[in-house]
Amino acid sequence: NAGVTQTPKFQVLKTGQSMTLQCAQDMNHEYMSWYRQDPGMGLRLIHYSVGAGITDQGEVPNGYNVSRSTTEDFPLRLLSAAPSQTSVYFCASREGSSSLHFGNGTRLTVT
Amino acid sequence: AQSVAQPEDQVNVAEGNPLTVKCTYSVSGNPYLFWYVQYPNRGLQFLLKYITGDNLVKGSYGFEAEFNKSQTSFHLKKPSALVSDSALYFCAVRDGGGYQKVTFGTGTKLQVIP
Repeated sequence: NAGVTQTPKFQVLKTGQSMTLQCAQDMNHEYMSWYRQDPGMGLRLIHYSVGAGITDQGEVPNGYNVSRSTTEDFPLRLLSAAPSQTSVYFCASREGSSSLHFGNGTRLTVT
Repeated sequence: AQSVAQPEDQVNVAEGNPLTVKCTYSVSGNPYLFWYVQYPNRGLQFLLKYITGDNLVKGSYGFEAEFNKSQTSFHLKKPSALVSDSALYFCAVRDGGGYQKVTFGTGTKLQVIP
């Protein structure tokens, strides 16, 4: 099994550009989520989904959009990138009371 | 709102000595508690969890954690530290039941000194 796959691994954007971070899982997990990791701030929840067609905001949702059209995919969209969105982004999924399964992350730099 | 506190940014311990990484939490319902480890430039890996039952939970790589309801703590421990244990450790909590969101602490860097 591939587990949780994130693409791309690295991305550089200019302020104002848009892009989509991809996340796919092959474990049939209902729950998926996006976190950003910044030094000294740990992992902060951006958005999460409890199933296809259902999404909700986390702690830091501003500037990000998500959708969940299938169980497998949970893309994260930056509509107009800002330098404050420079971070490492992690996608994670789980089933029930199990632990989260994390992707390897996307390192995003906004100049 | 649920939260996790990891009061130490960094913990230094000599190889072979016992280690403790502290975590306290706040959640309105029954807590589901987790520890994850992150090695440099990698994603997070699951170490152990407490859902219910015995307050002492054993996990991967010889780590264990003790759930203390009265002190709302879930400290990570290991009897004898290895240099290879050096990494970033995260405590996480969620409200039990259903598909509830998971909240992480700010992380503690563990440095094991040879």
